[in-house]
Amino acid sequence: DSGVTQTPKHLITATGQRVTLRCSPRSGDLSVYWYQQSLDQGLQFLIQYYNGEERAKGNILERFSAQQFPDLHSELNLSSLELGDSALYFCASSVGGENSPLHFGNGTRLTVT
Amino acid sequence: EDKVVQSPLSLVVHEGDTVTLNCSYEVTNFRSLLWYKQEKKAPTFLFMLTSSGIEKKSGRLSSILDKKELFSILNITATQTGDSAIYLCAVSKETSGSRLTFGEGTQLTVNP
Repeated sequence: DSGVTQTPKHLITATGQRVTLRCSPRSGDLSVYWYQQSLDQGLQFLIQYYNGEERAKGNILERFSAQQFPDLHSELNLSSLELGDSALYFCASSVGGENSPLHFGNGTRLTVT
Repeated sequence: EDKVVQSPLSLVVHEGDTVTLNCSYEVTNFRSLLWYKQEKKAPTFLFMLTSSGIEKKSGRLSSILDKKELFSILNITATQTGDSAIYLCAVSKETSGSRLTFGEGTQLTVNP
């Protein structure tokens, strides 16, 4: 168990809808990262937060947004969902030091029908 | 654009075999290379390599980095069915904190 908690485990929703994925980092970790894993693209970096502030953005669509709250948990909001958004969404956390490995949660499997 | 390429993409072996997984990279401001094992759920951390030529070892798994030739290998000796997983290689950059760029992974299947 990595100590990173993601909810829900599974989510099935229709096109055009909006969903929120939640992540609680490991105790003591200040950085949260969101990744998307789809069958044909591997793990793609979406966005990073450090102690409540956005630190880096990757291949995140404008329909997606995220935030990190004062208690350090993070939420990823996906709106106007399309079939192609179906994927595994992982949250990872790290201490925030310059060379600390990422520790991943078990992911949320999103299916858009 | 940063690139991480793993080979082979899939591999099927018998229990007891030794396997070598490859990872090559092209990134600016390279800092470290990491290996992860992904079974059904979360990728789990195996190794972080920052210096060339220094082998990291954990049980039957070992890994080494060559910063001159820009590649790393992950060796698994005396494979077991429990080693079946996707093995992911990732790199971090000096300018990107702990953010990782991943390769596509190698799907390893170990048959009894």
